[in-house]
Amino acid sequence: QKEVEQNSGPLSVPEGAIASLNCTYSDRGSQSFFWYRQYSGKSPELIMSIYSNGDKEDGRFTAQLNKASQYVSLLIRDSQPSDSATYLCAVMRDSNYQLIWGAGTKLIIKP
Amino acid sequence: DGGITQSPKYLFRKEGQNVTLSCEQNLNHDAMYWYRQDPGQGLRLIYYSQIVNDFQKGDIAEGYSVSREKKESFPLTVTSAQKNPTAFYLCASRGTHYVPRAFFGQGTRLTVV
Repeated sequence: QKEVEQNSGPLSVPEGAIASLNCTYSDRGSQSFFWYRQYSGKSPELIMSIYSNGDKEDGRFTAQLNKASQYVSLLIRDSQPSDSATYLCAVMRDSNYQLIWGAGTKLIIKP
Repeated sequence: DGGITQSPKYLFRKEGQNVTLSCEQNLNHDAMYWYRQDPGQGLRLIYYSQIVNDFQKGDIAEGYSVSREKKESFPLTVTSAQKNPTAFYLCASRGTHYVPRAFFGQGTRLTVV
């Protein structure tokens, strides 16, 4: 079992709809969670970070964390074609503070 | 502006050659990382360094070497022992674990010719 798992996709969502991306992790002691967006050929850029159970909203993005179920999700409201990218989930391992990366979910927003 | 600079952006390697990828940061971060990314794949950790003059192997260190002589610099050498080096290489840095987000350079695309 991988430490951080994501559905590779592609996930296809109509423009204007809500895109929902999910990530599960195995280290129950993890405390820090991140969503990065990566356009093709570019480096990842941080979209959201979340450290507490519940929801965290930033503009059109909402990160959701459920430590009991060991999953973190990212919702993108009013999806735009410019949101088409690969979204990487990263979890900080509690034992050594290393970031563990999921393989990413490719999101396609259809105009 | 603070940030991480990787160079070159594109690099071509002949069979049997060693090449060195540069990574410089002015964020005053202690921890630096090298990742490899293959098409359609996530990030795989090659080496990391938590402090000057110290570094640790990641999951795929074979065929690679690093040095950390200065806090600002963490160069990666792809040796001839790395049989399939064609990939996108990303350098990242982090502050303390109290500020755990990673900052990335723009990446180096290495191609074997």
